[in-house]
Amino acid sequence: NAGVTQTPKFRVLKTGQSMTLLCAQDMNHEYMYWYRQDPGMGLRLIHYSVGEGTTAKGEVPDGYNVSRLKKQNFLLGLESAAPSQTSVYFCASSFRSWTRETQYFGPGTRLLVL
Amino acid sequence: GQQLNQSPQSMFIQEGEDVSMNCTSSSIFNTWLWYKQDPGEGPVLLIALYKAGELTSNGRLTAQFGITRKDSFLNISASIPSDVGIYFCAGLVDHNTDKLIFGTGTRLQVFP
Repeated sequence: NAGVTQTPKFRVLKTGQSMTLLCAQDMNHEYMYWYRQDPGMGLRLIHYSVGEGTTAKGEVPDGYNVSRLKKQNFLLGLESAAPSQTSVYFCASSFRSWTRETQYFGPGTRLLVL
Repeated sequence: GQQLNQSPQSMFIQEGEDVSMNCTSSSIFNTWLWYKQDPGEGPVLLIALYKAGELTSNGRLTAQFGITRKDSFLNISASIPSDVGIYFCAGLVDHNTDKLIFGTGTRLQVFP
């Protein structure tokens, strides 16, 4: 049982490049989330999903897209990376609506946009 | 929008000392959570609080759900070096989606 895994662990992009961050969970969780963490700002929700095939915007969705084609995977895409997207990205999952098992986090992806 | 303010922002303490930190909100929450983030890792849930006034312990950690439902407190007794990390409070925003809003974090450094 690996929990929540994220790929890649670290990436450097040039401005304007695109990339996809992959999150996978093997706990059969319904809900998945993408956050970004910046110094002094805590974790801010980018997008989330309450089930396969569904996604919704969080607090800071601009510049990102997501897809949840399979229950165990949640993809975060950057179509045209900007330096302001330099951050640490965390994926999280939880079983379903408030079962007192929330939220399990992955180890993070460190992204540097030059 | 909703904001959670944590204080202090950082703490530098000696091993064996007790630690107190708090989290305040402009909004009411029905559930408060405390997470710890070790360096280079994702946050891990420490304690969850479900009722105003509730006091819950997890080993040397004790957290309280404020009576006003707008604040929460975390205490660590007899700190040890492995307590180093960032502590985040979080409020449950939406029961139906499990959405959380996180505080800005308290960075704890413990010196031997």
